[in-house]
Amino acid sequence: QVQLVESGGGVVQPGRSLRLSCAASGFTFSNYGMHWVRQAPGKGLEWVAVISYDGSNKYYADSVKGRFTISRDNSKKTVYLQMNSPGVADTAVYYCAKDRKQIASLDYWGQGTLVTVSS
Amino acid sequence: DIQMTQSPSSLSASVGDRVTITCQASQDISNYLNWYQQRPGKAPKLLIYDASTLERGVPSRFSGSGSGTDFTFTISSLQPEDIATYYCQQYDNLFTFGPGTKVDIK
Repeated sequence: QVQLVESGGGVVQPGRSLRLSCAASGFTFSNYGMHWVRQAPGKGLEWVAVISYDGSNKYYADSVKGRFTISRDNSKKTVYLQMNSPGVADTAVYYCAKDRKQIASLDYWGQGTLVTVSS
Repeated sequence: DIQMTQSPSSLSASVGDRVTITCQASQDISNYLNWYQQRPGKAPKLLIYDASTLERGVPSRFSGSGSGTDFTFTISSLQPEDIATYYCQQYDNLFTFGPGTKVDIK
């Protein structure tokens, strides 16, 4: 069965960097787009970034463009989110999700990892 | 950017009631619209994609319709396990989620 397991969350000071990882299993990882979606405490869902199956195309929400970088290692079946210069507004649960195709719908989600940006 | 609105923001209904949620896009998105369910403390779950296609394994009491800018999500007979927040999401131009509709049992 499809499993997505996020890791790397925790408390980070404003302006320091953090890298999230998402390990995938149960499907042919290299065939699908992968996303990061976040949810601030008590708030709704916010899409963050997507990467195509081969890593050649990456797209970002305006709120993170230029600060966050999505990448993937198909040999390790892992997708990453490098968070540079995070601010308090980036505090959220970060979910990794698999796309049903490349850029369509998010059909499997991880359990999420909490990132708290605080001094 | 495409903006998504949902109404109502919350609702309370009895078990067995028909529940309808609407979602509106700020521009024509064809049928590039998905619906997700998020139960309290859990990750979201895809229920419907391409506006009206039921995801495999999802109960048939859930349905979706619409195209262009106006979409509807329906639970034909509300069950206790349907307590959740429901989100629409467009993928015509990147991705945007609606603000969500919280569904409670009366």
